[in-house]
Amino acid sequence: GAVVSQHPSWVICKSGTSVKIECRSLDFQATTMFWYRQFPKQSLMLMATSNEGSKATYEQGVEKDKFLINHASLTLSTLTVTSAHPEDSSFYICSAKPGGEINEQFFGPGTRLTVL
Amino acid sequence: AQSVTQLGSHVSVSEGALVLLRCNYSSSVPPYLFWYVQYPNQGLQLLLKYTTGATLVKGINGFEAEFKKSETSFHLTKPSAHMSDAAEYFCAVSDRTGGFKTIFGAGTRLFVKA
Repeated sequence: GAVVSQHPSWVICKSGTSVKIECRSLDFQATTMFWYRQFPKQSLMLMATSNEGSKATYEQGVEKDKFLINHASLTLSTLTVTSAHPEDSSFYICSAKPGGEINEQFFGPGTRLTVL
Repeated sequence: AQSVTQLGSHVSVSEGALVLLRCNYSSSVPPYLFWYVQYPNQGLQLLLKYTTGATLVKGINGFEAEFKKSETSFHLTKPSAHMSDAAEYFCAVSDRTGGFKTIFGAGTRLFVKA
């Protein structure tokens, strides 16, 4: 149980285009989903927290107009990188936390974005 | 504000030797503490967690960690390293009162020598 999927697993796009990454909780309802960014050989940096049906909360320094997050349902959150540039190339990881007393978040396998 | 410090970006041990990965945290409220493992180009896998109760926590693959409030530490240990333990390990602290926001340490790369 507690499986989180991400799609696509990797994507290559041209500079200036937009890319959408999906994060799904497959066997549980996620009241909260998190989006992280990980540069090579570095730690995970929290980008934003999203709760179903409400606007995402972005961390300081993360451009909300650049990284659009939509938590449309209790099993799906999407991250859209708008007008992507080479510096947006990174490994993006989502996680999902069930509601209630479960004190754990479950991570997706990550999406490797390369912007040419 | 919360923070996590992992001492040592790289740790090298021989197969069969003790593994000790250090983690110190800072939190203004009682924290949730986690250790995760990450293999190349993959997501994170939970090794173990401390939320409340017993301070010695046992996880998967023979790992365990002890929550020491007085030392604000949550070091990860394994009595005998295996080649398959070679990976990146992250210590993390979550805010139990602030929406479960999680801060990760910088990570420790574990090398296991044959």
